[in-house]
Amino acid sequence: DADVTQTPRNRITKTGKRIMLECSQTKGHDRMYWYRQDPGLGLRLIYYSFDVKDINKGEISDGYSVSRQAQAKFSLSLESAIPNQTALYFCATSDFGASGKVEQYFGPGTRLTVT
Amino acid sequence: AQSVAQPEDQVNVAEGNPLTVKCTYSVSGNPYLFWYVQYPNRGLQFLLKYITGDNLVKGSYGFEAEFNKSQTSFHLKKPSALVSDSALYFCAVRDWEAGSYQLTFGKGTKLSVIP
Repeated sequence: DADVTQTPRNRITKTGKRIMLECSQTKGHDRMYWYRQDPGLGLRLIYYSFDVKDINKGEISDGYSVSRQAQAKFSLSLESAIPNQTALYFCATSDFGASGKVEQYFGPGTRLTVT
Repeated sequence: AQSVAQPEDQVNVAEGNPLTVKCTYSVSGNPYLFWYVQYPNRGLQFLLKYITGDNLVKGSYGFEAEFNKSQTSFHLKKPSALVSDSALYFCAVRDWEAGSYQLTFGKGTKLSVIP
């Protein structure tokens, strides 16, 4: 089974709709992240969380919100979707950094289309 | 501020030839550096990292990268390319000395290995 899972894998929604993307991990990591990927722009950080009570904005948080329901679950919400939020969304996890374990591990992605 | 540049959008190499994918970075402190690979319709897979110590780091699938502080570079290399290496490659940086917990990604380089 995959260590980092995302649901749904694909979603088409209409402008103005609320949508939630979910992420679960079995790696036992404390830190979780949400990124979006746009062609030619690489990945950009939306939000990150170091534990259930710690949520931080990333580079492009406007129009998004998150919820850390448990150590293993981190969801991303678009309260009122707009077409320029059409993108590939990735969840990632990492250890807290002991023993040099600083790399992030990514889920398979959710392809979101807003029409 | 931290940033990373991948100067080539695409790199083409013949199977069996050595390959290099370039990455330069900018940080105010000292960096952690990473390479990730993305295959079509997949998430990002961690290849290798530099955090400290030996400037030449070895990673998965026969890839290696050399940290060059004076040139602020972290180029990805492989002695003999395989067709299966064809994918999108991302370099990422984290300025740990400046207290950053965020990864900044380059825009990606598409590697095509020609049979």
